[in-house]
Amino acid sequence: QVQLVESGGGVVQPGRSLRLSCAASGFIFGSYDMHWVRQAPGKGLEWVAAIWHDGDNKNYGDSVKGRFTISRDNSKSTLYLQMNSLRAEDTALYYCAREYSSSSGKACDYWGQGTLVTVSS
Amino acid sequence: EIVLTQSPGTLSLSPGERATLSCRASQSVSSRYLAWYQQKAGQAPRLLVYGTSSRATGIPDRFSGSGSGTDFTLTISRLEPEDFAVYYCQQYGTSPRTFGQGTKVDIK
Repeated sequence: QVQLVESGGGVVQPGRSLRLSCAASGFIFGSYDMHWVRQAPGKGLEWVAAIWHDGDNKNYGDSVKGRFTISRDNSKSTLYLQMNSLRAEDTALYYCAREYSSSSGKACDYWGQGTLVTVSS
Repeated sequence: EIVLTQSPGTLSLSPGERATLSCRASQSVSSRYLAWYQQKAGQAPRLLVYGTSSRATGIPDRFSGSGSGTDFTLTISRLEPEDFAVYYCQQYGTSPRTFGQGTKVDIK
């Protein structure tokens, strides 16, 4: 069965860095585009970044552009999010998600349970 | 950036009633690229509908999606107790792939 397990979250001071990982299993990781989505406490969903199945194309939300970098290692079935220059407003639960694509449409069909990042001094 | 505005913010209904949730886009979105998710407290989002009207695997047929251009709707024909949750629309047409702010469906 498809599983996505995020790790790497924790408490970090403003201005510092953190790297999140998402270990995938149960499907051919290298065949799917992948996303990071976050949710601040008590707030709605915010799309963070996406990466093509081969890693050749990456897109970012405006609030993280230039500070966050999405990457993947298809040989390890793992997705990453390198977060630099962290701010208090980056505090959130970070989900990784798999993108399903068909002739009918696209969407994220599998999600991990998230890893919590808290940015605080 | 495409802004998605969901309405109402909260919908208070009773089990068995019909729920109609709206998602309005600031620019036209291809019908292939509009999805709906359900999220319950403490859980990850669950995909309900993709491509405006295609139900995801295992989603009951009381959930249906419709719309085109800038106006999209998620309808729950008869609310079951497990349907009380927060619902989000998302567009995949252009980057950033924005979400709406959510509609909470709670028990009246």
